[in-house]
Amino acid sequence: QVQLQQSGPGLVKPSQTLSLTCAISGDSVSSSSATWNWIRQSPSRGLEWLGRTYYRSKWYIVYALSVTSRITINPDTSKNQFSLQLNSVTPEDTAVYYCARAYCSGGSCYFDNWGQGILVTVSS
Amino acid sequence: EIVLTQFPDFQSVTPKEKVTITCRAGQSIGTSLHWYQQKPDQSPKLLIKYASQSISGVPSRFSGSGSGTDFTLTINSLEAEDAATYYCHQSRSLPFTFGPGTKVDIK
Repeated sequence: QVQLQQSGPGLVKPSQTLSLTCAISGDSVSSSSATWNWIRQSPSRGLEWLGRTYYRSKWYIVYALSVTSRITINPDTSKNQFSLQLNSVTPEDTAVYYCARAYCSGGSCYFDNWGQGILVTVSS
Repeated sequence: EIVLTQFPDFQSVTPKEKVTITCRAGQSIGTSLHWYQQKPDQSPKLLIKYASQSISGVPSRFSGSGSGTDFTLTINSLEAEDAATYYCHQSRSLPFTFGPGTKVDIK
């Protein structure tokens, strides 16, 4: 049974960096059939996919264009987890942030396991 | 980016009634369409994958259909525990996108 446990601060000041971690149990961040994703949810933007990392003989990292200049996603094989960093945050980045595993078949993926979500508020 | 629209936005339904939610994609996505249920203060939960494939542990009253641009989630004989917001999601191309959601309320 796959479980994703998120951790990180719930309050970040404007212009600073949002950092979250997602610890994986029951699967491996190096899995050849899964991808590891960050998704956020806010009333104004709904559910928004931010990016993913996955391993297929080498590591791949893909970001959404809307955040590509500010985002970093990193896998950590030693701790079996992956992380999200979002730089230069503004109040518009206030949202519930989820990590999620996607199972992929033939290039098409669905999110079958989600973390518990962390509400991150950007405020001074 | 593939835009997904859902309708209705909101539906108030009596228990045992049938619920139909529609998701429309801005371009053809084959069957790369998945449905999720989200209850208040919970993470989304996968209900249907690839438009019509069932998920282990999900009650059989939930079913999906469609391909191309038009998709439907059906809840047969609604139960009180089905009060939630339902989202569609496309994985045909990046960026993955979600519909705006349909909130189902129990009368």
